[in-house]
Amino acid sequence: GPKVLQIPSHQIIDMGQMVTLNCDPVSNHLYFYWYKQILGQQMEFLVNFYNGKVMEKSKLFKDQFSVERPDGSYFTLKIQPTALEDSAVYFCASSYRDWGGEQYFGPGTRLTVL
Amino acid sequence: QQKVQQSPESLTVSEGAMASLNCTFSDGTSNNFRWYRQHSAKGLEVLVSIFSDGEKEEGRFTAHLNRANLHVSLHIREPQPSDSAVYLCAVSMNSNNRIFFGDGTQLVVKP
Repeated sequence: GPKVLQIPSHQIIDMGQMVTLNCDPVSNHLYFYWYKQILGQQMEFLVNFYNGKVMEKSKLFKDQFSVERPDGSYFTLKIQPTALEDSAVYFCASSYRDWGGEQYFGPGTRLTVL
Repeated sequence: QQKVQQSPESLTVSEGAMASLNCTFSDGTSNNFRWYRQHSAKGLEVLVSIFSDGEKEEGRFTAHLNRANLHVSLHIREPQPSDSAVYLCAVSMNSNNRIFFGDGTQLVVKP
């Protein structure tokens, strides 16, 4: 099936640094999502993004978080500055349409904040 | 806020025996239900999507939805060791594609 890629697969950084997580979505998809999964916990929605704008975000999407997809390149999640509680696996997803469209997930980026 | 709960937490079955996983949700207006499979260190693989009460079959995977009972289940026919993974129940609305996930069921299929 369609593949979503995420780069890097692992990232280790010091608290307070900035990190950018990259997602290469399915080529004709228009809607993009980030989910966060802390070890041993449920996967939780962070944000969705369409036409250059954030459509919806959850309480987990703190002010330190931002998303963008400049010029149809990677869909990115930036955290600046990072905090210890940001350690988690971050999953990117994309879909062709918003209304009931199938979301295809990437393999995740494991972020460790020291 | 939507609550999605799965049972059992873990399940071990023998190869060829039916595996049944359960999921309950709290918001009866939900319209989109999916079962995903997650192998370690890999992304989520969608197994079956169901949008109306009744049954939906995709190969060896069958989902049953009963919205009045706030329940959706997944049945895996003739499971194989390669089906060993975490299975996630996912619930969302038609007009809002934000997905609410359950905690997952760890399935182990023994040869």
